Amino acid sequence: EDQVTQSPEALRLQEGESSSLNCSYTVSGLRGLFWYRQDPGKGPEFLFTLYSAGEEKEKERLKATLTKKESFLHITAPKPEDSATYLCAVQTVGGFQKLVFGTGTRLLVSP
Amino acid sequence: GAGVSQSPRYKVAKRGQDVALRCDPISGHVSLFWYQQALGQGPEFLTYFQNEAQLDKSGLPSDRFFAERPEGSVSTLKIQRTQQEDSAVYLCASSRIPGQGSEQYFGPGTRLTVT
Repeated sequence: EDQVTQSPEALRLQEGESSSLNCSYTVSGLRGLFWYRQDPGKGPEFLFTLYSAGEEKEKERLKATLTKKESFLHITAPKPEDSATYLCAVQTVGGFQKLVFGTGTRLLVSP
Repeated sequence: GAGVSQSPRYKVAKRGQDVALRCDPISGHVSLFWYQQALGQGPEFLTYFQNEAQLDKSGLPSDRFFAERPEGSVSTLKIQRTQQEDSAVYLCASSRIPGQGSEQYFGPGTRLTVT
């Protein structure tokens, strides 16, 4: 069974304090790994797609990386507006296009 | 351009009532998905359409759940005889093309509360 585990469940940072969120996965065959941001009361907002080990993508203060077993979302010098829940999801070979999500990491950045 | 829209945004139903949730995907998007998100959890897949064809309904929790997309655009998720365990946020997502890595864009969700 395909599984996605995110850690930590919650993370509290001071503004400017860099850190990383982890997403480990167990799948039969990976088609793609997705990162989303979700604000309270809203739907997930797409951030990145990664396809193969070694791939990296960046957007503003966020950088996503992928290995054969896990992905990291690095947040550099975060700001309070980066506070949100970050969701990781996998799309698998043979699973049509459905996404299998982890439970997310709730990030709070204090000024 | 407009994103994915869902209506209603909030729905309160008494146990045993039927409800219908609507999704308007991004214009031209071929693929449409429904997910269920319980409080504090990640979204869980319910069903998938490619145009009007329902290709995967493996995530529907019971035969009380039914989804349709008759003309390949708007979709409706219907829940019959609602139960308290159906209380959740129902998210709709669409993507432009089938295939590898086509990112899914989500609507704001419908929060269903069954009393």
